[in-house]
Amino acid sequence: KNEVEQSPQNLTAQEGEFITINCSYSVGISALHWLQQHPGGGIVSLFMLSSGKKKHGRLIATINIQEKHSSLHITASHPRDSAVYICAVRWNSGGSNYKLTFGKGTLLTVNP
Amino acid sequence: GAVVSQHPSWVICKSGTSVKIECRSLDFQATTMFWYRQFPKQSLMLMATSNEGSKATYEQGVEKDKFLINHASLTLSTLTVTSAHPEDSSFYICSARPTGGGSYGYTFGSGTRLTVV
Repeated sequence: KNEVEQSPQNLTAQEGEFITINCSYSVGISALHWLQQHPGGGIVSLFMLSSGKKKHGRLIATINIQEKHSSLHITASHPRDSAVYICAVRWNSGGSNYKLTFGKGTLLTVNP
Repeated sequence: GAVVSQHPSWVICKSGTSVKIECRSLDFQATTMFWYRQFPKQSLMLMATSNEGSKATYEQGVEKDKFLINHASLTLSTLTVTSAHPEDSSFYICSARPTGGGSYGYTFGSGTRLTVV
């Protein structure tokens, strides 16, 4: 069964700390997404990547295709970064099916 | 940037009535849209894939006669929960994939919280 595993499930940090959230998947993918879901429920797409590294502001996403692993880093974390971060993948076997498989999410709480 | 408008953001309805939720891509065309359901503290569960001009593809266990999906244009997909019951109360969210893919990925709506009383 194709699976997406995230760790940790919960993460509490102090403002300013460097945050890392990990995502592992079981078989080959064509793309990996990092999403952010705030308490109100709305979801923001942070990154879509299939190789290498992407950076946007204080957020960095990396992926290692050989190891089937991706990380999301937040530098100089801030309380407004508190949210659920979700990893989602599109499997190589998807063909023209563009649906995603989601991890269970990481609840990040950044305290002031 | 790409924006998806989902409406309503919340709705309360009586048991037995139907509720329609709209998902509209505002500044791009979306051949494919997805409908998800999310229970508290759980991840997104894909209900169906909506393709413009054709029938939706439902995931296993999702009743297509209960959750009617219409994707009549490249910018609008609707989900109708028919004969709603309290167990249908949930958070429903849509996402849209730009026609041609794009480099940014999928854009999500802000979600609809449905409460059936």
